[in-house]
Amino acid sequence: DSGVTQTPKHLITATGQRVTLRCSPRSGDLSVYWYQQSLDQGLQFLIQYYNGEERAKGNILERFSAQQFPDLHSELNLSSLELGDSALYFCASSPGTGANTGELFFGEGSRLTVL
Amino acid sequence: AQSVTQLGSHVSVSEGALVLLRCNYSSSVPPYLFWYVQYPNQGLQLLLKYTSAATLVKGINGFEAEFKKSETSFHLTKPSAHMSDAAEYFCAVSSNSGYSTLTFGKGTMLLVSP
Repeated sequence: DSGVTQTPKHLITATGQRVTLRCSPRSGDLSVYWYQQSLDQGLQFLIQYYNGEERAKGNILERFSAQQFPDLHSELNLSSLELGDSALYFCASSPGTGANTGELFFGEGSRLTVL
Repeated sequence: AQSVTQLGSHVSVSEGALVLLRCNYSSSVPPYLFWYVQYPNQGLQLLLKYTSAATLVKGINGFEAEFKKSETSFHLTKPSAHMSDAAEYFCAVSSNSGYSTLTFGKGTMLLVSP
């Protein structure tokens, strides 16, 4: 158990819909990262927040947005969903601001299926 | 920009055989390098990391990796495979210069047969 909690574990929805994925980081971790894992693209970095502020942006679509709340939990919002958005979405956390130390603690992921 | 390339999307070994998973990196600054493992239906967990100390890094479960700057490689090895090693392995790179994100390779699925 990494200490990172993601909900829901599975989500099935239709094209055009909007969903919200939630992540609670490990106790004390200030950074939250979102990754998308798909068969064709592999593990893609989407976005990072540190203590409520956006720190880095990766290959995140404009239809996607995220935020980190004062209690440090984070939400990833996916809108106008397309079939290609079907993937496993991981949240990870770390104590500091950067990934230099490399030890990111991953949740078990939220599997999104868009029909 | 940083990137890693993992050679072979699947590697099959017999139980007791040597495990060798290949990773080559590209980085314009001194890299930090990592191997993560993902067991079925689980998140990724850190196996080992190189952060510019010893070039031979030992990790959990008997795995180790050697940083070779001249070859821009960070291959993962284990002398004797166990059935429980069957999983997907990801090589990743970040930078040691200030703030950085972690960039993953596409992963290598390790299959272990009896």
